[in-house]
Amino acid sequence: GAVVSQHPSWVICKSGTSVKIECRSLDFQATTMFWYRQFPKQSLMLMATSNEGSKATYEQGVEKDKFLINHASLTLSTLTVTSAHPEDSSFYICSASPPGQSYEQYFGPGTRLTVT
Amino acid sequence: AQSVSQHNHHVILSEAASLELGCNYSYGGTVNLFWYVQYPGQHLQLLLKYFSGDPLVKGIKGFEAEFIKSKFSFNLRKPSVQWSDTAEYFCAAINAGKSTFGDGTTLTVKP
Repeated sequence: GAVVSQHPSWVICKSGTSVKIECRSLDFQATTMFWYRQFPKQSLMLMATSNEGSKATYEQGVEKDKFLINHASLTLSTLTVTSAHPEDSSFYICSASPPGQSYEQYFGPGTRLTVT
Repeated sequence: AQSVSQHNHHVILSEAASLELGCNYSYGGTVNLFWYVQYPGQHLQLLLKYFSGDPLVKGIKGFEAEFIKSKFSFNLRKPSVQWSDTAEYFCAAINAGKSTFGDGTTLTVKP
């Protein structure tokens, strides 16, 4: 149980375009989902926390208008990288927490974004 | 601000050797501590966690960790590593919904 999927697993886009990444909890409802960014050989940096039905809470230094997060249902959260630039190239990972278990996080496999 | 530091960036061991990976956190209040593992090409998986109670926590695959409050440490241990333990290991602290990860330790186990 507690499986989280991400789609796509990798994507290449041109500079200036937008890319949407989906995060789904497959066998449980996730009231809270987290989005992380991981640079090569570095740790996960929390970008934002999203709660179903409300606005996401962004970490300091993360541009809200650039990284749009929508958590429209208890099983789906999306991250849209708008007007992507090469420096946005990274590994994006989501995690999800079941209701009442805010400290438990189940991680998705990640999405490799390359902006050319 | 909450922070997590992992002392060892890259550890190389032979099979059957004992393992200890250091993790220190900085936060004065209640904090929940985790160790995650990321095998090559796979996603993060939970090894073990500490919320409260017995400071010696046992996790999957023979791993354990000890929470020492006075040292703000949560070191990961395994008495005898296997080649299949080759992976990236992350220590994390979660408090009030905020997650902070260490930089990770790459463990390479030589057969």
